[in-house]
Amino acid sequence: GESVGLHLPTLSVQEGDNSIINCAYSNSASDYFIWYKQESGKGPQFIIDIRSNMDKRQGQRVTVLLNKTVKHLSLQIAATQPGDSAVYFCADGVRGGSYIPTFGRGTSLIVHP
Amino acid sequence: DTAVSQTPKYLVTQMGNDKSIKCEQNLGHDTMYWYKQDSKKFLKIMFSYNNKELIINETVPNRFSPKSPDKAHLNLHINSLELGDSAVYFCASSQDLPVFAGKVYEQYFGPGTRLTVT
Repeated sequence: GESVGLHLPTLSVQEGDNSIINCAYSNSASDYFIWYKQESGKGPQFIIDIRSNMDKRQGQRVTVLLNKTVKHLSLQIAATQPGDSAVYFCADGVRGGSYIPTFGRGTSLIVHP
Repeated sequence: DTAVSQTPKYLVTQMGNDKSIKCEQNLGHDTMYWYKQDSKKFLKIMFSYNNKELIINETVPNRFSPKSPDKAHLNLHINSLELGDSAVYFCASSQDLPVFAGKVYEQYFGPGTRLTVT
């Protein structure tokens, strides 16, 4: 089965608000995690990754938090914009395996103007 | 200047037919992938090639056969198409294996091929 999963299928926010997309994983051997964004009609696009030896990583307007104790990670998007509307996926790669990322089911982020 | 391209973008065909989807990347990457995305957006790895060698072959019916004539191309041939094969198929590439020498190499995805089997 899937090793990663997302808590909510859809998240609606107002433009300018901060968005938090959550993801749970089950494999303690997960060595890295990646967030992808998929806009309608397009392929997934890499956003940010985090290794298992980190608990926080920041990018441009995005922050990923990793809590290994409860096997949970989140993607925070600051000042959400209409262009952020997309499906967001978390994926994990397992240490000792092929490292091919396993994708969870996506969360659809809808940003209302 | 497209990084990862796929053809065709849409493919409508009848059950039992054989079809191919082509993928090309001009990024100079060593690793390429095929993913299947179902109607619920679930994205599942099918195959992966590194330097033209098959490194991942997930539980996929043997009606699906990938072919990598060179590092820049990874084609997907599907025999005896079934209704359940209807999905969006994504090709992707990465500079190397997803994690190599301690570094995570991001995957670049193509635009997808929407396959509809009737």
